[in-house]
Formats: sequence, C-alpha cells, structure tokens
Amino acid sequence: KQEVTQIPAALSVPEGENLVLNCSFTDSAIYNLQWFRQDPGKGLTSLLLIQSSQREQTSGRLNASLDKSSGRSTLYIAASQPGDSATYLCAVRRNQAGTALIFGKGTTLSVSS
Amino acid sequence: DAGVIQSPRHEVTEMGQEVTLRCKLISGHNSLFWYRQTMMRGLELLIYFNNNVPIDDSGMPEDRFSAKMPNASFSTLKIQPSEPRDSAVYFCASSKAGVYEQYFGPGTRLTVT
Repeated sequence: KQEVTQIPAALSVPEGENLVLNCSFTDSAIYNLQWFRQDPGKGLTSLLLIQSSQREQTSGRLNASLDKSSGRSTLYIAASQPGDSATYLCAVRRNQAGTALIFGKGTTLSVSS
Repeated sequence: DAGVIQSPRHEVTEMGQEVTLRCKLISGHNSLFWYRQTMMRGLELLIYFNNNVPIDDSGMPEDRFSAKMPNASFSTLKIQPSEPRDSAVYFCASSKAGVYEQYFGPGTRLTVT
C-alpha cells in the first residue's frame, strides 16, 4: 500500500530564507507527483505537477524535484515571504489521469516578517 | 468559471442524524473525487467517479457512508447515521478526462456532537 510521508510537519523561518520541504513515498511505481498549497479554512491549490519521467518542475520561486527510484521529492521555495505561510501537501498518483491522489499529511510553513 | 462548489460550508449536527454534503463539478469535468481531511489521518480518498460511475469506493469507511452522482455535474455524500468520529473537513474535487489537474472545492467542515 502506497504511503506518503512529509517531513518536517511544521517549519518556521524568517522572511527571505530559502527552504526545502521533503516528501517520500513507499512505492516508486507512481504516474506523477503533485504539490499543493492549502491556506487555513480553504481548499487546495495545485502548485506543481511532475510526471514520473521528469526530474523537476519550476514555477516562479518554486522548484520541485523528483527522484522516483528513491521515492523522494522536494519542494524548494526561494526567498520566502510571509505570504508563503500555508500548509504544503505532496500527493502521488498511481495511474493515468482521472485517478485518485494519495496525500501526505503536509508541512505547515510559517514565514515571519 | 465558478470552480467546484460545495454546500454547506459548515454543518453541525447531533449524533444519529443524517448528513448530506453536496458538490457541483466544474462544467465539462467528468471525474469527481470525495476526500476527507482530519488532523490524525490527513487527506484520504473516500470514493471517486468517472462519467458518473463509481470507480473506487474502497476508502468509504463503512455502510453509513454513501455517495451518488444523480447527474453529470452534481454529487452527494450522505452519512446516516452520523457519529462524532465523522467530524472532519470533506472536500470534493473534479477533473477533466485526460487531464491530471484536480480542482478542489472549499470543503465542508462537519461537526457531529
């Protein structure tokens, strides 16, 4: 059974720091991996999606990497801002589009000004 | 586009009562996912549909839970009878055939006393 783990569960950093969030999964047979952001009391917003054949994806200050063979992904946030404060969730998809995601429990990030 | 719409946003009910959560998909989407989020277990898939057909309901906790898609754009998740351990935030998400992106609704926060 696929399990997704995110470490750390919570992280506090001062504004301007670069940081890395970690995600690991037990079964390397994934179709793709997705990083989401969740603000308190809100739904999820997709940040980046990495196909199993890709090594990384970038969007603005965010960079996500994938090492499928070792079952790991990282989300790198450059020059963090207070507006980045949220919970970041990693999820893997077993099969093709139209199938469900398996989520980690998330890392709650707090960026202080 | 209005996005995925969920109602109610908050529901407080007493143990033993029937609860119905509602979800309206984004127009043109044909996959529908129900997830439940708790502090202890994180985000878990309950059930998902493709083209109105339930594909995987292995996450539905027990017979007290049922989900339907009476038409292509609408779904209900019913809990009867409700129990305090059902207290959680319930999300629905929709996606389009052949597209990986899942769009999440704002969630329904259910409290069963």
